[in-house]
This record gives sequence, structure tokens and C-alpha cells, in this order.
Amino acid sequence: KAGVTQTPRYLIKTRGQQVTLSCSPISGHRSVSWYQQTPGQGLQFLFEYFSETQRNKGNFPGRFSGRQFSNSRSEMNVSTLELGDSALYLCASSWGQGDHEQYFGPGTRLTVT
Amino acid sequence: LAKTTQPISMDSYEGQEVNITCSHNNIATNDYITWYQQFPSQGPRFIIQGYKTKVTNEVASLFIPADRKSSTLSLPRVSLSDTAVYYCLVGDNYGQNFVFGPGTRLSVLP
Repeated sequence: KAGVTQTPRYLIKTRGQQVTLSCSPISGHRSVSWYQQTPGQGLQFLFEYFSETQRNKGNFPGRFSGRQFSNSRSEMNVSTLELGDSALYLCASSWGQGDHEQYFGPGTRLTVT
Repeated sequence: LAKTTQPISMDSYEGQEVNITCSHNNIATNDYITWYQQFPSQGPRFIIQGYKTKVTNEVASLFIPADRKSSTLSLPRVSLSDTAVYYCLVGDNYGQNFVFGPGTRLSVLP
């Protein structure tokens, strides 16, 4: 069974730009969660989508948004990029909402200059 | 929200058993404990999950005492390939209240 895939793997953007990251979950998984990982803050939860609806949200500004499609694929968008948004963005899928037995993708490394 | 603490780093030798403890003093009744392994440039990998007592699978065991204020991930006979960062996560399975620990960097030496 194919794992979680994320595209692109690496991205360089300039301050003020916006970016869209994509995630394809494991087949059959209906929940997709997004995380930001930085050396200073560790793994921080952004939001979770289940059945195309955002179910849970972490403590991030509104510049961070996401959506989920009917095939469970998900995208997250960051608008008006700041230098502090440089991080590894991880997507994880699971069978059900709130299920912590999650399967992570390899991440997208975003660098903001 | 349960705050978790873990040792920052640990060293071990190949073939030894390694025990990594996570402290979560204010764990809630509905909270589960989940452990992940992360290699450089990869996403975390699910290892094991439990609620109380002991859980074992093909790669690890998870020990949770009766008061559930801590949990211990046990890796039997580690090899060099077990060198990684190990995270505990404490939270309910509704996805509303959970937190990842700071991670423990395990170095396995030959």
C-alpha cells in the first residue's frame, strides 16, 4: 500500500508570497492533519481535516489555511509568508478523526527568504 | 492539556535494551499515549499506542503505570538503525487536545 505523499519536497519562497502544499493520504484514510516542525518549537499541530471539513485547529494565525477534497487529498496554504514560516511541513493521515495512530509523509521543506 | 517532558538525549550500545520515559503529570482520563520515531529528513513513524498497563508489538513495548503520569517506551536489542529521535504524544482520540513531547535523541553506538 502506498504511503503518504507530499509535493513539493522542497520550496523556496520570498517574504510576502503565498504557497500551497499538497498531500495525498494512504488509500482509505479519511483524516489528514498538518504539522509544522522547527528546531525551536518542535512538532506543532496546524489543523485536521476529516470528510472535507476542518475538525480541529492548532494555535496558528489565519494566514495558515487548508482544505480537503472528496478523495481525501488535502492542501494547505500559507499567505503573506514571513521568515519565521521556514520549516518542515508534515502531513499525516489516519483512519478516523482524532486518531493518533497517524502515518506521516516525508514533509515539504519550505524556506522563506 | 497534558504537558510532556522527555530526556533530551540518550546513548546506548548495539544489542542493549533501551527505555525512554515520558512524563505527563496532568494526563487526562481520555488521553492515550502514542510514540513515534523520526529519522533525519523523514516524517515521524508510528511505533506504538497505549492507554494503561502494557502494550507490546513486533518492534517495542509500552509500559504505563497505574497512575498514568509517565510512560516508558522499551526497545529490545537496539541496532545502529534505531538511532533516531523518539517523540511521545499525549492526547485524547478526538483530536482536540494533544501535544507532542520535545523528543529524545537516541544514539546507538557500535
